[in-house]
Amino acid sequence: NAGVTQTPKFQVLKTGQSMTLQCAQDMNHNSMYWYRQDPGMGLRLIYYSASEGTTDKGEVPNGYNVSRLNKREFSLRLESAAPSQTSVYFCASSEAMGQSDTQYFGPGTRLTVL
Amino acid sequence: DQQVKQNSPSLSVQEGRISILNCDYTNSMFDYFLWYKKYPAEGPTFLISISSIKDKNEDGRFTVFLNKSAKHLSLHIVPSQPGDSAVYFCAAWSSGTYKYIFGTGTRLKVLA
Repeated sequence: NAGVTQTPKFQVLKTGQSMTLQCAQDMNHNSMYWYRQDPGMGLRLIYYSASEGTTDKGEVPNGYNVSRLNKREFSLRLESAAPSQTSVYFCASSEAMGQSDTQYFGPGTRLTVL
Repeated sequence: DQQVKQNSPSLSVQEGRISILNCDYTNSMFDYFLWYKKYPAEGPTFLISISSIKDKNEDGRFTVFLNKSAKHLSLHIVPSQPGDSAVYFCAAWSSGTYKYIFGTGTRLKVLA
């Protein structure tokens, strides 16, 4: 039982390059999330998927797209990376999107955009 | 506009003493609160929660206090241990948007 896994762990991109961050969970959770963590800003929600087949924008969606590939997998795509997207990205999952549904986080992807 | 604030970016405490981490929020619609703990190179892990119908929740060495009138919650760790050294995030549930809003985090260092 690996929980939430993310690939890659580290990535360096040049401005304008594209990439996809992968996330998978093996807890049979319905809801999945992408957050970014920046110094002094805490965790900010980029996109979420309440259930398989649905995705919605969070607090900071600009510059990103997501795909809920199936119940297990939720990917985050940067179409044209910008230095402002340098951050640590966390994927999370939860049973549902209720207040008492604990979110389980992956180990993060540290992305640097030059 | 930061709706959930942790005004102390860092805190150092001697082993065996009490650690108190604070969190302030601005939205009176927040009605459920969590604390997460994060070690370097790992994702945050859930620590403890509290509903707005309570003013205290305890789990072993960890106690969370909620003061709704002051829109303030705090996490007490007693006694503090070196393994508690981590970044702690508070999070508030927004009934309006059905999502959690996270604070900026406080880095706790417990000195042996």
